[in-house]
Amino acid sequence: GEDVEQSLFLSVREGDSSVINCTYTDSSSTYLYWYKQEPGAGLQLLTYIFSNMDMKQDQRLTVLLNKKDKHLSLRIADTQTGDSAIYFCAESRGSASKIIFGSGTRLSIRP
Amino acid sequence: GAGVSQTPSNKVTEKGKYVELRCDPISGHTALYWYRQSLGQGPEFLIYFQGTGAADDSGLPNDRFFAVRPEGSVSTLKIQRTERGDSAVYLCASSLVGGRRFYNEQFFGPGTRLTVL
Repeated sequence: GEDVEQSLFLSVREGDSSVINCTYTDSSSTYLYWYKQEPGAGLQLLTYIFSNMDMKQDQRLTVLLNKKDKHLSLRIADTQTGDSAIYFCAESRGSASKIIFGSGTRLSIRP
Repeated sequence: GAGVSQTPSNKVTEKGKYVELRCDPISGHTALYWYRQSLGQGPEFLIYFQGTGAADDSGLPNDRFFAVRPEGSVSTLKIQRTERGDSAVYLCASSLVGGRRFYNEQFFGPGTRLTVL
């Protein structure tokens, strides 16, 4: 079956790095995603990684994929107050296919 | 507008009533998706259209839910005999699928918040 699991909450101090972890079950996943959802705002694609990649870096964001363990992580360097949001891990078998989302990790920032 | 739009933004109805939710995709996008997001959960897939036809409707929870896209652009999600458990934010996304494109991003709309009393 298709399932995506992630922890519900993460609290970090401003300026520290945040690491959000996720596991998925579908061995046919081709694309793995991280989405950001802020209150009152739509779902925003932060980044995605193709399943044959191990790592992808985009400015403050680093995505690590361990395909053997079906584990995905998102690291946000120098976390800022504007990073407060819910982060969803997700996967799909193809970029035109349905996306399966986790329940989201709420990231809160301490001063 | 440049993005996906959904109307209404909020809909309050009574149990047993019929509702229609509308999605206007980004102009020229061939693929359209409906998802449902319940409180505290991630979006859950409902149905995917490629052009006018439903390419995957495996996420529709039961026969009270139906969606159409008659001209391959605007889509309507129809819910009959609404139940309190149908209360959620209904999200629409569109994507430009086809050609030699390697990756097709799904762009999400702001959603319609449905409340069934």
